[in-house]
Amino acid sequence: AQSVAQPEDQVNVAEGNPLTVKCTYSVSGNPYLFWYVQYPNRGLQFLLKYITGDNLVKGSYGFEAEFNKSQTSFHLKKPSALVSDSALYFCAVRDPKAAGNKLTFGGGTRVLVKP
Amino acid sequence: NAGVTQTPKFQVLKTGQSMTLQCAQDMNHEYMSWYRQDPGMGLRLIHYSVGAGITDQGEVPNGYNVSRSTTEDFPLRLLSAAPSQTSVYFCASRGDRESTDTQYFGPGTRLTVL
Repeated sequence: AQSVAQPEDQVNVAEGNPLTVKCTYSVSGNPYLFWYVQYPNRGLQFLLKYITGDNLVKGSYGFEAEFNKSQTSFHLKKPSALVSDSALYFCAVRDPKAAGNKLTFGGGTRVLVKP
Repeated sequence: NAGVTQTPKFQVLKTGQSMTLQCAQDMNHEYMSWYRQDPGMGLRLIHYSVGAGITDQGEVPNGYNVSRSTTEDFPLRLLSAAPSQTSVYFCASRGDRESTDTQYFGPGTRLTVL
């Protein structure tokens, strides 16, 4: 069975500082990995995904994530955080060999960027 | 394109009542799914469909029914609402059956069962 862990319930960072949101996963095969962001009272918005190729993936709003197969991690990063980045972030994994191509989400990490 | 739309946005039910949450997409997506979001638990898959006439259970299907008579619509039915079904419900769709595609989410329905 596939699973995702986001070890931090909340991350606090000062505006302008680097932001990292951690994610580790478990799948039987090669994973497809995704990051989504949720702003208050809104649905989830896609940020970026890793399917294959370069381990460093660049996405929307200046975010990037690095796939590390040996550590089974897919941490989300932003070099300089903005107050507007304050939101709930979800990591998700899909095992392409699993029945139904289902997407499994982590529990979410709340990011608070302080001015 | 309107994308993925959901109605209603808010709903309050009494225990034992039934209702249908509506979901529609205008992107001609084959794959549609329903999730519920609870604090600290992320999103959990309730039911999904890989095309019209085909549905299957997800992680937490009990107490919910779905049908997929058209490509566009994927309603979720609560047969007899329970307080444990108080949650935020999201519908999502994906472009094709290939698992590399991005999943698009609706704005959600906030359901309270008293």
